[in-house]
Amino acid sequence: GAGVSQTPSNKVTEKGKYVELRCDPISGHTALYWYRQSLGQGPEFLIYFQGTGAADDSGLPNDRFFAVRPEGSVSTLKIQRTERGDSAVYLCASSLALSGANVLTFGAGSRLTVL
Amino acid sequence: AQTVTQSQPEMSVQEAETVTLSCTYDTSESDYYLFWYKQPPSRQMILVIRQEAYKQQNATENRFSVNFQKAAKSFSLKISDSQLGDAAMYFCAYRWNYGGSQGNLIFGKGTKLSVKP
Repeated sequence: GAGVSQTPSNKVTEKGKYVELRCDPISGHTALYWYRQSLGQGPEFLIYFQGTGAADDSGLPNDRFFAVRPEGSVSTLKIQRTERGDSAVYLCASSLALSGANVLTFGAGSRLTVL
Repeated sequence: AQTVTQSQPEMSVQEAETVTLSCTYDTSESDYYLFWYKQPPSRQMILVIRQEAYKQQNATENRFSVNFQKAAKSFSLKISDSQLGDAAMYFCAYRWNYGGSQGNLIFGKGTKLSVKP
């Protein structure tokens, strides 16, 4: 597509529930990134993919968080047993490749609120 | 570990005036990129300007320019002729110039810019 698309735009859930956030990157972009942005903070890295594989998942906070990209395009961030502290905006970005020269293009994010 | 510091949580500028946003970073690498991103209330991060560390010449994009001081590890953003549409959060970011575990963007905490009419 023309830009990075993220759905849902807003998600409200209850503590303990399971949540999936979807990211549809720019067509042809092989690198895909997930960031989490808490209120008043800069985005924090979670995970990034090169193609179908997770090149670096060192930013995932714990084993409740998991992300997949089975066909090398759309990615899903999955959060199990949600906690109130998971409330944040989850940003997805994509780029042509992992090289630092390639600019990341961001989506508008998914705002997750855990009650 | 690389870090990015923005020491100004909030800044204000009069419309048509010039404002400078500060950013410092810490790295032991010599080849990297620095970025300024703008985030309006719509949440979408928009690239404002990019600087390659091996280029001494400061990057410019229309009303936006940077003052890149590699030895001091400083990377400030100057906005000239400020417009109401410039009001947003501005984030400074660093990225090492290779893939692998250092390939992601590292952001500062941001500076909220207000533009007064």
